[in-house]
Amino acid sequence: TQLLEQSPQFLSIQEGENLTVYCNSSSVFSSLQWYRQEPGEGPVLLVTVVTGGEVKKLKRLTFQFGDARKDSSLHITAAQPGDTGLYLCAGVGSNYKLTFGKGTLLTVNP
Amino acid sequence: NAGVTQTPKFRVLKTGQSMTLLCAQDMNHEYMYWYRQDPGMGLRLIHYSVGEGTTAKGEVPDGYNVSRLKKQNFLLGLESAAPSQTSVYFCASIRSQTTGELFFGEGSRLTVL
Repeated sequence: TQLLEQSPQFLSIQEGENLTVYCNSSSVFSSLQWYRQEPGEGPVLLVTVVTGGEVKKLKRLTFQFGDARKDSSLHITAAQPGDTGLYLCAGVGSNYKLTFGKGTLLTVNP
Repeated sequence: NAGVTQTPKFRVLKTGQSMTLLCAQDMNHEYMYWYRQDPGMGLRLIHYSVGEGTTAKGEVPDGYNVSRLKKQNFLLGLESAAPSQTSVYFCASIRSQTTGELFFGEGSRLTVL
C-alpha cells in the first residue's frame, strides 16, 4: 500500500508569514498533485508535478517535487487569510486513482 | 463545481437502512470515482469506474456497491448502513487524462445513527 504523509497536520499563522507544507511518500508515484479544499466543498486542484526536481509557481505558492519523486513541498509566501483551507497532496496511480495524504489544515489569522 | 452534481447533499440513516448516492456529470468524462473523507484520514477511494458499464474496487470498498449504467451517472449504494459509514462522500471525474486532474462534486454528508 502506497502511503503519503503530510506535515504538519495543523498550522496557524499570522497574515504575512511564510510557511511550508511537506508531503512524503513511501514509494514513487507517476505524478503528484496538490489540492485545496474549503469547508463544505470538494477539493480543487492547485498543481500537478511530474518530473523529479520540478518547481512550479502559482502566484505566492511554490511547489517542488523531489528528485526521487517521493516527496513534495508547498511553500506559501506572505500568507493571506484567503489562503486558509485544507491542503491535500495526492499521488497519481494507475487509472488515475489518487492516494491522498491526510491533509494540512492551514489557518491564516488577520 | 456545476459539472459534478451529487444528491442528496445531506442524509441521516438508521443502522441497517439502505440508500443510494447519485453522482451526475455533464462533461462526458470517462473515469469516475467515489471517495469518502473522514476527520484526520484524508480522502480514501471506495470504488471507481473507467467507463460506462465498468466498476472496480478501491481502497475501502466493503459495505458499498456501485453501478455505472450510463456514462454520466455513477451510483454508490449502501445496502445495510453502519455507523462506521458516517462520513462525507465525494464523487469525482477526470477532467484531463493528460494531467489526471480530478473534478470533485460538493460532497454528500451521511450520518448513520
